[in-house]
Amino acid sequence: QVQVVESGGGVVQPGGSLRLSCAASGFTFSRSGMHWVRQAPGKGLEWVAFIRYEGHNKFYADSVKGRFTISRDNSKNTLYLQLSSLRPEDTAVYYCAKEEEYSSYYSYYYIDVWGKGTMVTVSS
Amino acid sequence: DIQLTQSPSFLSASVGDRVTITCRASQGISSYLAWYQQKPGNAPKLLIYAASTLQSGVPSRFSGSGSGTEFTLTISSLQAEDFATYYCQLLNFFPRTFGQGTKLEIK
Repeated sequence: QVQVVESGGGVVQPGGSLRLSCAASGFTFSRSGMHWVRQAPGKGLEWVAFIRYEGHNKFYADSVKGRFTISRDNSKNTLYLQLSSLRPEDTAVYYCAKEEEYSSYYSYYYIDVWGKGTMVTVSS
Repeated sequence: DIQLTQSPSFLSASVGDRVTITCRASQGISSYLAWYQQKPGNAPKLLIYAASTLQSGVPSRFSGSGSGTEFTLTISSLQAEDFATYYCQLLNFFPRTFGQGTKLEIK
């Protein structure tokens, strides 16, 4: 079935780095845009980053721009998020999510598949 | 950036009630809106996209409406499994902002 599975979370000190991975299966990964969304403990959802299917066009939330890098390896069906210069406020569950397109008169791009998430804790 | 504001932030209701959650955009976004349900400890689940299109497998008691700047998610007759937090999200534009969430609790 269609699924995405995150890994790579853990505890890291402020200023440190971490790389998250997301393994995709059950769909044509190379044709799908992919997102990272995070959720701090007890808080709401925060969109983090997006990468188009071909890997060249990337978008970031202002809160992570210049510190986080989204990338993908379509040969491995894997999405990545490199987290650098981490801050305590980056502590969150990080979700990998697949984008779907619906086309009628207009096209709509929405998230239809979510992983279970991986926890990142930034603490000294 | 486009902001999404949900109301109310908290909602207390009973099984069988009809409830409505509102999401307002800071500028017109046509029908570029989705709704998600999230239960504690779980990932969000897509309910509705393109403002009013029900995702496959989602019960028909859920419906969405609106366009421009004001949108609503309606649950026609609350079931026990519907008590959760609901989020709206902007589609197509970046950043893909989420509303702050509406927590639906049992009265």
